[in-house]
Amino acid sequence: AQSVTQPDIHITVSEGASLELRCNYSYGATPYLFWYVQSPGQGLQLLLKYFSGDTLVQGIKGFEAEFKRSQSSFNLRKPSVHWSDAAEYFCAVGGGADGLTFGKGTHLIIQP
Amino acid sequence: EPEVTQTPSHQVTQMGQEVILRCVPISNHLYFYWYRQILGQKVEFLVSFYNNEISEKSEIFDDQFSVERPDGSNFTLKIRSTKLEDSAMYFCASSEQGARSNQPQHFGDGTRLSIL
Repeated sequence: AQSVTQPDIHITVSEGASLELRCNYSYGATPYLFWYVQSPGQGLQLLLKYFSGDTLVQGIKGFEAEFKRSQSSFNLRKPSVHWSDAAEYFCAVGGGADGLTFGKGTHLIIQP
Repeated sequence: EPEVTQTPSHQVTQMGQEVILRCVPISNHLYFYWYRQILGQKVEFLVSFYNNEISEKSEIFDDQFSVERPDGSNFTLKIRSTKLEDSAMYFCASSEQGARSNQPQHFGDGTRLSIL
């Protein structure tokens, strides 16, 4: 069965600082990997996705993520965060079934 | 940019009552999904729907739940006799191709269901 672990429940980052959110997955084959963002009271917006090819993928809002098969990881990064990036971030894995399997999410807090 | 729309945004229902949550998927998408997120917990897959029938369902999707595509645009989730533990945010999603393809799922803003 596929699973996703996001080890950090909360992360606090100063505005303008760099960000890395961790995601580890468990999946038997090459996974499809996603990062979604959820702002308060909003739905899930797709930030980026990995299906195959280049292991460094670019997304919207200046985010990127790197697929590392050897570490079963798909960490999300941003070089300089903005106050508007404060939200809940979900990593998800798919490909083995219709439904995506989500991690528990990481709540990102931005300090002024 | 086309988006998935869900109505209502918030539904309050008495326990034991039936509730129908509505979704309009993106128009050229063929695969439809429902997920739920209990407050403070992870997003969980409920069911997928393709070609007018259920493709897959999770353990959560028991006999109290049903889905339907009543016309060419709407996709509904019905809970027959709601329980307190059905209180959650319910998300609809759609994709051009199935989840085993390289097409991502696009989510609506959700319906917050509160059971009293």
